[in-house]
Amino acid sequence: SYVLTQAPSVSVAPGQTARITCGGNNVGGKSVHWYQQQPGQAPVLVVYDDSDRPSGIPERFSGSNSGNTATLTISRVEAGDEADYYCQVWDSSTDHWVFGGGTKLTVL
Amino acid sequence: EVQLVESGGGLAQPGGSLRLSCAASGFTLSSYSMNWVRQAPGKGLEWVSYISTSSDTIYYADSVKGRFTISRDNAKNSLYVQMNSLRAEDTAVYYCAREGIAATGLDYWGQGTLVTVSS
Repeated sequence: SYVLTQAPSVSVAPGQTARITCGGNNVGGKSVHWYQQQPGQAPVLVVYDDSDRPSGIPERFSGSNSGNTATLTISRVEAGDEADYYCQVWDSSTDHWVFGGGTKLTVL
Repeated sequence: EVQLVESGGGLAQPGGSLRLSCAASGFTLSSYSMNWVRQAPGKGLEWVSYISTSSDTIYYADSVKGRFTISRDNAKNSLYVQMNSLRAEDTAVYYCAREGIAATGLDYWGQGTLVTVSS
């Protein structure tokens, strides 16, 4: 089955840029979606199809995907961005949605 | 406003059953595929099941296949999952989530309902 690998944690100072990666075999050939989950809340879609943003999501959130790594980039990080972030793809070989293990973003 | 509200969670014994419901409003349920996703306490997200708009295509995670049954009633704006032969490892918050058109991720989620499997 397809596996997505995320680092457990990333730390960044306010105002800096956070990069959260999602590794998978030829993930560049798939569409990657990203979710933000605040403590005690449901996940929220922040980037879909590698780099598109749903309405209402700040431009500070962007995504890219190439080769074996997809990246969620959060520019000008704010305290309110502290959350868990998950990547997701559709595995067409098994007809399953697959989530990465999640990355906890800490704002120092 | 799109809203998804889950219900039916609670305490179940190992080997027991529960039926979760998800009430949809603010959009036409029949136009969207739907999913169930769960999250064990302190753990990450785990996809559980998918159902297409007219219920003709259904998928399950290997961990629940043969024990869970997803269904929907578009006339009642509702999504369901029947969970049988429950195990301790099924303990989780269960979310229903709408799938964006053309599978562009899960664009709306409910607040979740907690299922605890314990004797």
